[in-house]
Amino acid sequence: GEKVEQHESTLSVREGDSAVINCTYTDTASSYFPWYKQEAGKSLHFVIDIRSNVDRKQSQRLIVLLDKKAKRFSLHITATQPEDSAIYFCAARNNYAQGLTFGLGTRVSVFP
Amino acid sequence: EAAVTQSPRSKVAVTGGKVTLSCHQTNNHDYMYWYRQDTGHGLRLIHYSYVADSTEKGDIPDGYKASRPSQENFSLILELASLSQTAVYFCASSPTGSQNTLYFGAGTRLSVL
Repeated sequence: GEKVEQHESTLSVREGDSAVINCTYTDTASSYFPWYKQEAGKSLHFVIDIRSNVDRKQSQRLIVLLDKKAKRFSLHITATQPEDSAIYFCAARNNYAQGLTFGLGTRVSVFP
Repeated sequence: EAAVTQSPRSKVAVTGGKVTLSCHQTNNHDYMYWYRQDTGHGLRLIHYSYVADSTEKGDIPDGYKASRPSQENFSLILELASLSQTAVYFCASSPTGSQNTLYFGAGTRLSVL
């Protein structure tokens, strides 16, 4: 089955700088790659996704890049703010499986 | 606003006992999921359902049963709870499967002693 590796377990960035989280996947059939955010003591909520028909997507300060050849996708949080501090999960799904395969999560800490 | 409500929010169970975790959604979504979250494992899919009265196995179904008596309700049942089932359990719903946004509940922290 699909495996998703999230390369950074923790990330510490200065407020205003960019944070980059990298994920790789194994199944070439995967076509949908969402990102979820989990703030301390809370549940997960969706932040942004990308589908395999594009290689870049931006939503406000969030940019997702997809490199299908390398089976790699990344989340760029630009101009970081304190409220960006959270655990971020990448995930992948293909067209024939149900449910998402999640990475282990990256704890992002934004310091002043 | 989409709403997925889980109960209880936390539970302590004894080894060998029966545990039922409940999930209720008011999103009118067809798909519902149960995930568990463990340190070092991220989230893993236990069971899911895309229609009432039917459930499907996810990636780690052993030791768990699921029940979907209505579109709104989805339960996770541990018939014989074990220490290894100590984890945080999340329920989620989505309108048309997981190529659409998942809406998660607040989670249930289960400790099996």
